[in-house]
Amino acid sequence: KAGVTQTPRYLIKTRGQQVTLSCSPISGHRSVSWYQQTPGQGLQFLFEYFSETQRNKGNFPGRFSGRQFSNSRSEMNVSTLELGDSALYLCASSLLGAENQPQHFGDGTRLSIL
Amino acid sequence: GENVEQHPSTLSVQEGDSAVIKCTYSDSASNYFPWYKQELGKGPQLIIDIRSNVGEKKDQRIAVTLNKTAKHFSLHITETQPEDSAVYFCAASRTVPSGANSKLTFGKGITLSVRP
Repeated sequence: KAGVTQTPRYLIKTRGQQVTLSCSPISGHRSVSWYQQTPGQGLQFLFEYFSETQRNKGNFPGRFSGRQFSNSRSEMNVSTLELGDSALYLCASSLLGAENQPQHFGDGTRLSIL
Repeated sequence: GENVEQHPSTLSVQEGDSAVIKCTYSDSASNYFPWYKQELGKGPQLIIDIRSNVGEKKDQRIAVTLNKTAKHFSLHITETQPEDSAVYFCAASRTVPSGANSKLTFGKGITLSVRP
């Protein structure tokens, strides 16, 4: 079974630009969560999507947004990029259940802002 | 909100020895505690998890224990091998009434080095 696939693996952008990252979940998984990983702040939750709806959101500015498609694939978008947005962006997928289900991560997209 | 603390920040052990990594959490409503291993250039890999209705769980050389009263949980790795060298993260989450997967709150991570 293929794991979580994130594209692209690496991105270099300049301040003020916008970027879109893509995530394909494990087949059959319908919940997709996004996390930002930096050396200073560690792993921080961005948002979670299920059935094309954002159901949970972390404490990030409105420049960070996302969406989910009917096939469960998800994208996140960051507008007006800032130097501090340089990070590893991780996507995790899980089954939907009554209780918290294990989240499985992709290898991330490394975003560098110049 | 939830706060997860992980200590120590680095740990070095001799191959074959055991390693223990401890985490504490603040939210008494947290009920799910996964552990992840992250190797260089890779995303976090789930290695074991435990729910609050269980005190201990084991999977080959890896075990996790949970003390709800003290609000701490620990990862135990026995017979360590060089390939166990990585960054290990603990996390905690609570069930959300809406049925959504609750966000994971992570510790800062610990770098485990296994000396051959």
